[in-house]
Amino acid sequence: DADVTQTPRNRITKTGKRIMLECSQTKGHDRMYWYRQDPGLGLRLIYYSFDVKDINKGEISDGYSVSRQAQAKFSLSLESAIPNQTALYFCATSDPSRFTGELFFGEGSRLTVL
Amino acid sequence: AQTVTQSQPEMSVQEAETVTLSCTYDTSESDYYLFWYKQPPSRQMILVIRQEAYKQQNATENRFSVNFQKAAKSFSLKISDSQLGDAAMYFCAPTGNQFYFGTGTSLTVIP
Repeated sequence: DADVTQTPRNRITKTGKRIMLECSQTKGHDRMYWYRQDPGLGLRLIYYSFDVKDINKGEISDGYSVSRQAQAKFSLSLESAIPNQTALYFCATSDPSRFTGELFFGEGSRLTVL
Repeated sequence: AQTVTQSQPEMSVQEAETVTLSCTYDTSESDYYLFWYKQPPSRQMILVIRQEAYKQQNATENRFSVNFQKAAKSFSLKISDSQLGDAAMYFCAPTGNQFYFGTGTSLTVIP
């Protein structure tokens, strides 16, 4: 089983619908992130959380909200989806106490908004 | 916020040859790591190599090595003996408290 699991893997929805992307991790990391990937733009940070009570906006948080339900769970919501939110979304975790410090990614959630 | 520039949107290399992908960045942090990630068509993000900014010695991982120039804020990735499986999108990511990614370089390996 993957250490960082995202659901759904693929989703097609319509403009105006509310969508939730879920992320759960078994790595025991405090830090969790949501990124959006668009062609030619790389990965851009939407929200990040350093622990359950610490949630921060990233560079492109407008139109998104998050919930950190537990150390292991971090959900991303689109309250009213619009077509330009069509993208590949990644959840990731990190543990800054480890000397390596890298991000561990989920497998991505492909969202299409019609 | 950090800025990360990968000036080569696309690169190609002949199988078994060597290719270098460039990355420059700007950061105000003094203690940070730098990473290269690979994203094959499967879309999974895979760590290729990491470098600690306080280390002068360049990191090496099998066929992958970096040329880290801290003063110039440059962090290039060299792939030696390129293989078909190296074909992917490559992202540079310097990081301190947050992770910022470049826009990526799409690498094609020609048989």
